[in-house]
Amino acid sequence: EPEVTQTPSHQVTQMGQEVILRCVPISNHLYFYWYRQILGQKVEFLVSFYNNEISEKSEIFDDQFSVERPDGSNFTLKIRSTKLEDSAMYFCASSSQSYGYTFGSGTRLTVV
Amino acid sequence: SQQGEEDPQALSIQEGENATMNCSYKTSINNLQWYRQNSGRGLVHLILIRSNEREKHSGRLRVTLDTSKKSSSLLITASRAADTASYFCATDEPGANNLFFGTGTRLTVIP
Repeated sequence: EPEVTQTPSHQVTQMGQEVILRCVPISNHLYFYWYRQILGQKVEFLVSFYNNEISEKSEIFDDQFSVERPDGSNFTLKIRSTKLEDSAMYFCASSSQSYGYTFGSGTRLTVV
Repeated sequence: SQQGEEDPQALSIQEGENATMNCSYKTSINNLQWYRQNSGRGLVHLILIRSNEREKHSGRLRVTLDTSKKSSSLLITASRAADTASYFCATDEPGANNLFFGTGTRLTVIP
């Protein structure tokens, strides 16, 4: 069964550093998403991406965040200057239409 | 915007018993989905029920949707220790291209 692949599975970074989280969505999917889950809290929407541009973003997705689909297969989330409160599990998802999501297994980001 | 709320927050049952989790939401939806998450792991899609459906089955899972009450329930029959996980509902709202997740129910099945 097709999967959404996320790398790395765990990333530790120093506060103020830039991180890039990588995702390979399912190949024939057209919609891509990033969600995050702070430990013990609910899963929160960050951003959706369609047709090579952001289609929707939440209040969490401020200027520190950016997304890119650099080569037609990868979908990346960049956090420019990480803060302690960015520590969370980050999930990538893709879908072939506006529902029917497949989530990756997540990247656990720890900011120290 | 949607904010799903599940209850109970935590549920502990004996293996073989049925587990029922409930989800309530606030506005109209296109569909409602249930996900499972093992501790610290990824989200696994379990089942999707559309707004015009009232009940759906998948193996030992049964989902109901009552749009008049803006609520859904997930029933897991004949539970197993391996069902121990957190279960989340997520709603897909008209005009919004994303999911709104509930707070989750932590299910523990005791062998």
